[in-house]
Amino acid sequence: EPEVTQTPSHQVTQMGQEVILRCVPISNHLYFYWYRQILGQKVEFLVSFYNNEISEKSEIFDDQFSVERPDGSNFTLKIRSTKLEDSAMYFCASSGQGPEAFFGQGTRLTVV
Amino acid sequence: AQSVAQPEDQVNVAEGNPLTVKCTYSVSGNPYLFWYVQYPNRGLQFLLKYITGDNLVKGSYGFEAEFNKSQTSFHLKKPSALVSDSALYFCAVRDLPSNTGKLIFGQGTTLQVKP
Repeated sequence: EPEVTQTPSHQVTQMGQEVILRCVPISNHLYFYWYRQILGQKVEFLVSFYNNEISEKSEIFDDQFSVERPDGSNFTLKIRSTKLEDSAMYFCASSGQGPEAFFGQGTRLTVV
Repeated sequence: AQSVAQPEDQVNVAEGNPLTVKCTYSVSGNPYLFWYVQYPNRGLQFLLKYITGDNLVKGSYGFEAEFNKSQTSFHLKKPSALVSDSALYFCAVRDLPSNTGKLIFGQGTTLQVKP
């Protein structure tokens, strides 16, 4: 069964460093998303991406964040200068013709 | 604004008993509603959805959910709980006005099934 894959599963980075979280969405999907979940809290929307551009972003998604689809398969989230409060589980998701989104296993980002 | 509420932080049930995890929603217009499950250190797995039609929808692993428009609820149910059902459950609504597929999640309910 097709699935969304994310790498790495865990990333530890120093405050102020740049990180890139990678995702391979399901191959025939057209809509891509990033969400995050701070430990023990709810899942929060960050950004949606369609037709090679951002279709919506939340207020969390400030200038430190960017997304890119560099080729036909990968979808990346870059955090330019990480802060302690960026520590969270980051989920990539994709959706196709149906309204449901399919999520990856997540990348646990720890900023020290 | 669209929102979802899960009034219980935790639900405890004995194995073999029926379970219900509650969800209420607030939307403008007709809702698209979803349930997802998260096992420890894992991603979110899609369980089921309500878009239109029959108010009782069936999903994966024997779960079902009942859409009730008058009570604005979408409770998750299972007739006989398994210990392996123990996980974190999220109700979500699709933010239709934004038309980007964005999901708004409830705060999650931990289901604990005891043997």
